[in-house]
Amino acid sequence: GENVEQHPSTLSVQEGDSAVIKCTYSDSASNYFPWYKQELGKGPQLIIDIRSNVGEKKDQRIAVTLNKTAKHFSLHITETQPEDSAVYFCAANRGGTSYGKLTFGQGTILTVHP
Amino acid sequence: NAGVTQTPKFQVLKTGQSMTLQCAQDMNHEYMSWYRQDPGMGLRLIHYSVGAGITDQGEVPNGYNVSRSTTEDFPLRLLSAAPSQTSVYFCASSYSRSRYEQFFGPGTRLTVL
Repeated sequence: GENVEQHPSTLSVQEGDSAVIKCTYSDSASNYFPWYKQELGKGPQLIIDIRSNVGEKKDQRIAVTLNKTAKHFSLHITETQPEDSAVYFCAANRGGTSYGKLTFGQGTILTVHP
Repeated sequence: NAGVTQTPKFQVLKTGQSMTLQCAQDMNHEYMSWYRQDPGMGLRLIHYSVGAGITDQGEVPNGYNVSRSTTEDFPLRLLSAAPSQTSVYFCASSYSRSRYEQFFGPGTRLTVL
């Protein structure tokens, strides 16, 4: 089955710096890669996603890149702000499945210091 | 729209007790799923449903049952609770076969003593 590895497990940055979180996946048939942000006591919230037919996607300060050959994808947050502090999860869908049946990474705790 | 709602928010059970975690969505989503979240392990899929009357197992289905009699509701049943089922449970839904974006509920924190 699909295996998703996420690094680092914790990341501490100063406000205004950039943050990068990386994930690798094992199933070459996976074609959907979302990123979720989870604040304390809440459910995960989708912040950006990418499909395998594109290599990069941006939404304001957030971007995701995908390297299908190497089977890895990354989340980039620029100009970080204290409100970006949260747990971030990457995920990949089980290869060839519809409905986005997802396997999640272990999570990254991002702390942005003012 | 209320989105995805879950009840209760917190629950404490004794080993061997049974209970049902409720999940509902008002977005007419076809797909619904249950995940459990444990420290350092991300979210793991328990069961999912692609429509009313259709359910299937995820990664960690043992000890849990589901049913989907309506589009809106997808309850998760613990038949005989065990301490290993202490976790935070999230329900999620998404629109359809081609729209994968999943919306999560606020979670239920379950402790089994």
